Amino acid sequence: AQSVAQPEDQVNVAEGNPLTVKCTYSVSGNPYLFWYVQYPNRGLQFLLKYITGDNLVKGSYGFEAEFNKSQTSFHLKKPSALVSDSALYFCAVRDMDTGRRALTFGSGTRLQVQP
Amino acid sequence: SAVISQKPSRDICQRGTSLTIQCQVDSQVTMMFWYRQQPGQSLTLIATANQGSEATYESGFVIDKFPISRPNLTFSTLTVSNMSPEDSSIYLCSVVDRTNTGELFFGEGSRLTVL
Repeated sequence: AQSVAQPEDQVNVAEGNPLTVKCTYSVSGNPYLFWYVQYPNRGLQFLLKYITGDNLVKGSYGFEAEFNKSQTSFHLKKPSALVSDSALYFCAVRDMDTGRRALTFGSGTRLQVQP
Repeated sequence: SAVISQKPSRDICQRGTSLTIQCQVDSQVTMMFWYRQQPGQSLTLIATANQGSEATYESGFVIDKFPISRPNLTFSTLTVSNMSPEDSSIYLCSVVDRTNTGELFFGEGSRLTVL
């Protein structure tokens, strides 16, 4: 079975400061990893993914994430937070060694960027 | 990326009634998924909608409660039957990206409130 843990319900950061949203995963095979963002009353928007290759993945809106196989982590980062980054962030995983195409999502982390 | 339209975007329903949610994609897609997001919660997969065959349901979800249709490669419906207040959720349609590298694209969701 595959699972994702997002240990922080909420992350608070001041505008202009770096941000990190944590994610750890568990799969029996090799993972595909994803980050999504959800703004109020909106669906999920894809931010970035790790499939293979470089452990540092760059995505939309200046976000990046680092894949760490030994720690089974895929933390989302941004060098300088904006107030408009305030939203709900979900980490998701897919076990690429199974035939399952659906993603399993973490519980979500609410990011609050203060001006 | 695929453009996914869902109807209705929101509705208020009476206990015991049923509501059908429609999902229209702007291109042919092999796999469509229906997720539920209960208030303040993460996304839970309800079922995979298969074209030309019955949907595949996840543990805890049954066809009698959540019948799904998939008449062609661009359209699907999810019905929430005999609703109770516990069914108040956002229901999200999603599709796998065309390049099959794994990410899902989501509709804006259908927010149901059951009184």
